[in-house]
Amino acid sequence: AQTVTQSQPEMSVQEAETVTLSCTYDTSENNYYLFWYKQPPSRQMILVIRQEAYKQQNATENRFSVNFQKAAKSFSLKISDSQLGDTAMYFCAAQRANNLFFGTGTRLTVIP
Amino acid sequence: DTEVTQTPKHLVMGMTNKKSLKCEQHMGHRAMYWYKQKAKKPPELMFVYSYEKLSINESVPSRFSPECPNSSLLNLHLHALQPEDSALYLCASSQDPGLAGGEQYFGPGTRLTVT
Repeated sequence: AQTVTQSQPEMSVQEAETVTLSCTYDTSENNYYLFWYKQPPSRQMILVIRQEAYKQQNATENRFSVNFQKAAKSFSLKISDSQLGDTAMYFCAAQRANNLFFGTGTRLTVIP
Repeated sequence: DTEVTQTPKHLVMGMTNKKSLKCEQHMGHRAMYWYKQKAKKPPELMFVYSYEKLSINESVPSRFSPECPNSSLLNLHLHALQPEDSALYLCASSQDPGLAGGEQYFGPGTRLTVT
């Protein structure tokens, strides 16, 4: 079974600052993928970043990076130099058999 | 073209109505998905189509009937819905059903209200 937990329902950050969103997961798979998806107020979900479990190097996409701690089953997202356009709901997700299992989400607000 | 389109954007229907939601992608993706998302909740998987065949039905009530007429099109037929079925219905696609780690591309969703 795949379970994904996001313990921060809401967070806020000042524009240009850095914020970290937490995610923990549980899985019985040996190899798996983890994702962060962003759902802005307009609703269309887009992929922010993905991590393959057997890769030790943390994934990075421009201002977005992850801290993947496999033993602790932790997968946090760091957003650097936060921008107003980063305001959105962020979902952490684990993949099994091409299907995504989402956490409950963290609503991030970037304050001007 | 990296877009998944969904029509209609909004739909209001009575409990005795029959309606359909439509999803389209032209990225050549061979996996397509229907999700249901209630307010302030994460998306929940309903159906998965792989190579135009239904591969996963997450115990969805029969009042929801999916259809994949071709590799670009996915429909969700609705009949005798209940008010608790009101939600945002999201369609998604991914390149290869057998490819682990593939990105899912989401449409903007159809906001359904059942009265």
